[in-house]
Amino acid sequence: GEDVEQSLFLSVREGDSSVINCTYTDSSSTYLYWYKQEPGAGLQLLTYIFSNMDMKQDQRLTVLLNKKDKHLSLRIADTQTGDSAIYFCAERVSSASKIIFGSGTRLSIRP
Amino acid sequence: DVKVTQSSRYLVKRTGEKVFLECVQDMDHENMFWYRQDPGLGLRLIYFSYDVKMKEKGDIPEGYSVSREKKERFSLILESASTNQTSMYLCASSFAGGGEQYFGPGTRLTVT
Repeated sequence: GEDVEQSLFLSVREGDSSVINCTYTDSSSTYLYWYKQEPGAGLQLLTYIFSNMDMKQDQRLTVLLNKKDKHLSLRIADTQTGDSAIYFCAERVSSASKIIFGSGTRLSIRP
Repeated sequence: DVKVTQSSRYLVKRTGEKVFLECVQDMDHENMFWYRQDPGLGLRLIYFSYDVKMKEKGDIPEGYSVSREKKERFSLILESASTNQTSMYLCASSFAGGGEQYFGPGTRLTVT
């Protein structure tokens, strides 16, 4: 079945890089997403990667996809206090309208 | 800007009450979704709809029903609220082909 897994917590020092990891099980994934949820808010799409790509960079964000290992990561360079949030990894399977979400990783920033 | 709005940010209801959660989107999206979010469990899909009057069960439909009479509006109904339905409820919408989902701000429901 479809499953997306990620660790629940990550703590990094302000100014360091954060790396949030995710594994998924369905090899027919077409798109993989990273969503951000700030306290008290809904989810907002941060970035996404198409399954035939292995890397995507967008300013401070770098997404790496290893299709062989079904592993996705999100790197945030120069982490700031405003990056404190829950980050959800998600996959879209083949042509389905549904997206499968991971449990979310809570990123906390220490001074 | 895509806008998905939910009728309430916070709601407190008693056990056994009928509860309506409303969601409205303004982007003419065909697909609409209801999720619940619980700590450590991420987002779990309750129901989704890909057209007016159409609905499909998600992963945890028990205890819930939905209604989609107009394209822009998708309602989640708890026929008889129970304490284990205390949760954050998130609505989302997307175009027919799927892909990016746009989320509302969420409704935090407490059932006492």
